[in-house]
Amino acid sequence: NAGVMQNPRHLVRRRGQEARLRCSPMKGHSHVYWYRQLPEEGLKFMVYLQKENIIDESGMPKERFSAEFPKEGPSILRIQQVVRGDSAAYFCASSPTAFEGYTFGSGTRLTVV
Amino acid sequence: QQQVKQSPQSLIVQKGGISIINCAYENTAFDYFPWYQQFPGKGPALLIAIRPDVSEKKEGRFTISFNKSAKQFSLHIMDSQPGDSATYFCAARDRGKLIFGQGTELSVKP
Repeated sequence: NAGVMQNPRHLVRRRGQEARLRCSPMKGHSHVYWYRQLPEEGLKFMVYLQKENIIDESGMPKERFSAEFPKEGPSILRIQQVVRGDSAAYFCASSPTAFEGYTFGSGTRLTVV
Repeated sequence: QQQVKQSPQSLIVQKGGISIINCAYENTAFDYFPWYQQFPGKGPALLIAIRPDVSEKKEGRFTISFNKSAKQFSLHIMDSQPGDSATYFCAARDRGKLIFGQGTELSVKP
């Protein structure tokens, strides 16, 4: 049973470009969560999704960031017009229900140059 | 009220010693309290978790102590080993999402 798969592992974008981060949850998991981790800092909640629904996006910046989890395929975190401050590690986690523990992926490390 | 405060920020322990990391929270709606371990360049991995109706949970060398009235919980690592050197995060769950503490960087010296 494969874990949470995130790709790419590393992503380099120039300022102003778009970044697309993908997350395939564990088999049987329909709840997906995105977190951002800056160097030497903790994990900041961004968004919580269930299939085709955004449950909680209280941690998402109001502009440039969006997330989806379609009926088929991976969850996507999209960052438009990236800026240097977006450079961070982005982690996705999944769980089978809202009442069980998360399993995290290995993350995507985004560098904006 | 959504914060989880974790201390210390860093911790150095001798091999064989006990590592203790503490967390405190305010939101009484939190219903699940996990601890995660993270190695450099890796994603966090679930170590052990507790629900608020239990005061202690032990799994191997790892123990969570939970004090509901004080709104505090702690992780104890017995017989700490160099391989335990990592960053540890406490967390608390509110309506599905986990709120994380700032992390504790543990270094176990041989």
